[in-house]
Amino acid sequence: AQKITQTQPGMFVQEKEAVTLDCTYDTSDPSYGLFWYKQPSSGEMIFLIYQGSYDQQNATEGRYSLNFQKARKSANLVISASQLGDSAMYFCAMREVIRTGANSKLTFGKGITLSVRP
Amino acid sequence: GAGVSQSPSNKVTEKGKDVELRCDPISGHTALYWYRQSLGQGLEFLIYFQGNSAPDKSGLPSDRFSAERTGGSVSTLTIQRTQQEDSAVYLCASSSGSGGSVTGELFFGEGSRLTVL
Repeated sequence: AQKITQTQPGMFVQEKEAVTLDCTYDTSDPSYGLFWYKQPSSGEMIFLIYQGSYDQQNATEGRYSLNFQKARKSANLVISASQLGDSAMYFCAMREVIRTGANSKLTFGKGITLSVRP
Repeated sequence: GAGVSQSPSNKVTEKGKDVELRCDPISGHTALYWYRQSLGQGLEFLIYFQGNSAPDKSGLPSDRFSAERTGGSVSTLTIQRTQQEDSAVYLCASSSGSGGSVTGELFFGEGSRLTVL
């Protein structure tokens, strides 16, 4: 089974509107971290937001918020007031600790392309 | 600069040649990762170094791929007898997180674009 699933092939949003990018994950580990990265056409990977599995509150960072639904194993990214510069590829990722101190690599989903229309 | 540095930024090679890609992580970061990204695709995990622990090599696609990290800092990814399917962007990232930690975002370099003719 895939660890991180991003099934939306491409998303379009009007400038200044909000958009939700979906991400579901699969793990049996109680301790894990969820990350979202943005990759514009320039290719750089930009960290956006982090959510820990034990965090009680949904993470927020400026216009980015994470809709964390633990029971559903979903960690959707919400971008409010979209800007033209938000057009990019967005990746959801998860870090697990398989054995303490042994494995904490980040596993990425296949990504979602977001296009913001003026 | 204070970021992750990768070289070369672009490499064109002929099928069958060996290539070395270098990564200089952020000073003090104990974790170093290599990922591969084919055109328009997601990031494929290759290898992960954490401090002095044995590296996690579970993502290396074949024995033509190897990586080392000297002195807990600079890392070199080596691809022997390159094939056309090796063409991709190879991304290096570092993190300050410990092996047992789930926090600590990865800081990525700008990647090395490899083209195998």
